[in-house]
This record gives sequence, structure tokens and C-alpha cells, in this order.
Amino acid sequence: KAGVTQTPRYLIKTRGQQVTLSCSPISGHRSVSWYQQTPGQGLQFLFEYFSETQRNKGNFPGRFSGRQFSNSRSEMNVSTLELGDSALYLCASSLGEVQDTQYFGPGTRLTVL
Amino acid sequence: AQSVTQPDIHITVSEGASLELRCNYSYGATPYLFWYVQSPGQGLQLLLKYFSGDTLVQGIKGFEAEFKRSQSSFNLRKPSVHWSDAAEYFCAVVLTGGGNKLTFGTGTQLKVEL
Repeated sequence: KAGVTQTPRYLIKTRGQQVTLSCSPISGHRSVSWYQQTPGQGLQFLFEYFSETQRNKGNFPGRFSGRQFSNSRSEMNVSTLELGDSALYLCASSLGEVQDTQYFGPGTRLTVL
Repeated sequence: AQSVTQPDIHITVSEGASLELRCNYSYGATPYLFWYVQSPGQGLQLLLKYFSGDTLVQGIKGFEAEFKRSQSSFNLRKPSVHWSDAAEYFCAVVLTGGGNKLTFGTGTQLKVEL
């Protein structure tokens, strides 16, 4: 079974631009969660989508948004990029229940200049 | 405040030595508990998880963890460390009713000396 894939793996943007990151979950998984990882703040939960609906949301500004498609693939968008948005963005997929293992992708490394 | 604490930022052990990584949580109710490992340039891999039942949980790669309610702890252990275990280890919780939202500790970087 293919694992969680994230595209692109690396991205360089400038302040003020917007960016879209993509996550393809493991086949059959309906839940996709997004996390931001930075040296200063560690791993922080952004949001979770389940069956195309946002089920959980972290404490991030409205510039961070996401969506999930009918095939469970998910995208997250960050508008008006700031230097502090530079981070590793990880997505995780699972069948959907809390006892189901979340499988993480390799992440997208975003650098904002 | 609700939190997950990993008091050791860095730990160095010799190959073959035993390992214990500490994790404490501060929540009103017992959350679901997890340990993840992250190798450089990689995503996170689940080592083990605890929901209920037997307080000693076996995981992959020879790791185990023990849940101690009285100490609000979920420490990760391995009897004999291999050089390939060098990585960053994260303790995480999911609150009951919190969906799949993982709250992570700050991580412990493990270095293995040959």
C-alpha cells in the first residue's frame, strides 16, 4: 500500500504570496490532518478533515485554510505569507477514529523569504 | 494549563545501553497517549499507543512504554539501544472527544554513541 504523499516536498516563496500544499492519503483513509513543525513552536495542529468536512481546527489565523476532496485528497492554503510561516508542514491520514493509527507523510518544507 | 511535557531536550546513550524517555501530561482526564519517532528529513512514525487496559504497551522496534496514572506519565523505554535509534522522539496525546487532534510534547533528541 502506498504511504501518504505530499507535494511539493520543497517550496520557496516570498512574503505576501500565497501557497497551496497537497496531501494524498493512504487509500481508504477518510481523515486527513495537517500539522506545522517549527524549531520554536514544535509540532502544532492546524486542522483535520473527515469526509470533506473540517472536523477539528487548531489556533491558527484565518490565513491558513484547507479543504478535502471526495477522493480524500486534501490541500492546505496559506495566504499572505509571513516569514514566520517558514516550517515543515506535515499531513497525516487515518481511517478516522481516534484509535486508528495516523500515518504521516514526509512533509513539505516551506521557506518564506 | 493542559500540556504535554518532555523534560529532556537531548539524551545521549551508548549503543547497547538501556533507554528511558520521559513524558508527563497535565489534563483533567487521562488522554489517549502516543509515542512517535522522527528521523532527519522524515515524517513521524508511530511507535506505540495507549488507550486503556494493560499499562505496559509494546511497540515496534523493541520499544515499550508504561502508563502510570498516579504520576501522569507515559515513559518510553528500550532495553538495548541500536545506533539506528538515533532520532527525535515525540510524546503526544489526544483528548477524549478531541477527534484526531494530536497535541505533541517538545520532543527529545536521542544521540547514540558507538
